[in-house]
Amino acid sequence: DQQVKQNSPSLSVQEGRISILNCDYTNSMFDYFLWYKKYPAEGPTFLISISSIKDKNEDGRFTVFLNKSAKHLSLHIVPSQPGDSAVYFCAASSNYGGSQGNLIFGKGTKLSVKP
Amino acid sequence: DAMVIQNPRYQVTQFGKPVTLSCSQTLNHNVMYWYQQKSSQAPKLLFHYYDKDFNNEADTPDNFQSRRPNTSFCFLDIRSPGLGDAAMYLCATSRATGGTETQYFGPGTRLLVL
Repeated sequence: DQQVKQNSPSLSVQEGRISILNCDYTNSMFDYFLWYKKYPAEGPTFLISISSIKDKNEDGRFTVFLNKSAKHLSLHIVPSQPGDSAVYFCAASSNYGGSQGNLIFGKGTKLSVKP
Repeated sequence: DAMVIQNPRYQVTQFGKPVTLSCSQTLNHNVMYWYQQKSSQAPKLLFHYYDKDFNNEADTPDNFQSRRPNTSFCFLDIRSPGLGDAAMYLCATSRATGGTETQYFGPGTRLLVL
């Protein structure tokens, strides 16, 4: 039973355009969400996060939006660059219960930014 | 630079032959995690250490064990690797302060079981 779902295995975008990566979750106890970027043969690298008390967090070209009522978050990359080509993982955690702090990951979306 | 280091990057072992993967960190984080990631799957948490306290996930097989001799090092021991244990093993660290903290990952060790 997947608690964090990334329904698009891959996404292709033209350089300079916007990339939108989506993530859905089922556990209403999740209160912290993160995006990681992973290049081949490397570990995931932290990109950006958002707390459930916010609905938007921005860091340079990267913006994460959170819609708690829809249990949906998205990562926007504007403008997209070829170096952004990687697998993007959505992750969620809860500050409550026995699994406090543990991350639950989605399966990832492979982004290809074409020059 | 502060970082999470995993050795080796690639490990080949034989079916049933014990293998140990290592992780070290210079971040001085008090929490260390081990994840297993199979191809096209999400990373799956095996266990973590909160300081010296070991926390095993309920569905982690007994075949997987871990040791944390000090703050900087953490080991993953696979007692009798099976073909299904071939995967990328990721170590991560965080500095837990009572809330949810970002985890920082090492480059991973890819394990092949022959």
